[in-house]
Amino acid sequence: NAGVMQNPRHLVRRRGQEARLRCSPMKGHSHVYWYRQLPEEGLKFMVYLQKENIIDESGMPKERFSAEFPKEGPSILRIQQVVRGDSAAYFCASSLGTDQETQYFGPGTRLLVL
Amino acid sequence: AQTVTQSQPEMSVQEAETVTLSCTYDTSESDYYLFWYKQPPSRQMILVIRQEAYKQQNATENRFSVNFQKAAKSFSLKISDSQLGDAAMYFCAYRSAGRGGADGLTFGKGTHLIIQP
Repeated sequence: NAGVMQNPRHLVRRRGQEARLRCSPMKGHSHVYWYRQLPEEGLKFMVYLQKENIIDESGMPKERFSAEFPKEGPSILRIQQVVRGDSAAYFCASSLGTDQETQYFGPGTRLLVL
Repeated sequence: AQTVTQSQPEMSVQEAETVTLSCTYDTSESDYYLFWYKQPPSRQMILVIRQEAYKQQNATENRFSVNFQKAAKSFSLKISDSQLGDAAMYFCAYRSAGRGGADGLTFGKGTHLIIQP
């Protein structure tokens, strides 16, 4: 049973470009979470999605960031017009969604903005 | 809002010895979950252990155990018989319960654990 998959593992963008990060949850998991880890920091919650619905985006910056989890295919975290401060590791986690379920993390995408 | 505090940026222990990593949290909720995650140099986040707040018994997983003090809002991780492979960043995390299954985790800033051979 494959774990949470994320791609790409590393992404380099120039300022002003768009970054698209993809996450495929574990088989059978319908809940997806995105977190951001800045250097020397812990992970910060960004957004929680279920299929076709954003449930909680309280940690998402108000501008340039968006997330989706379509009926078919992976969840996408999209960052428009990237700036140097967006450089970070972005982690996706998934869970079955029942109240007691643990979140399992993917390997992360390291975004570097030049 | 909940907060998680890890007051030890770095800890060092001799191989085969025991080390305890501290974590405190602040919440007004009575039902929640606590976790310890390990992040080795590969940066993968690996679940080490979890604790349900309604359970008085401390969770254990092989060499890893917790000391959960609900009244004190303390959740420390004890690693026995430390091994070189235990070297990593360790993050304490909190999650609310009772919201239909899902909530974002709140993480501490982490403790860098060094294992001396």
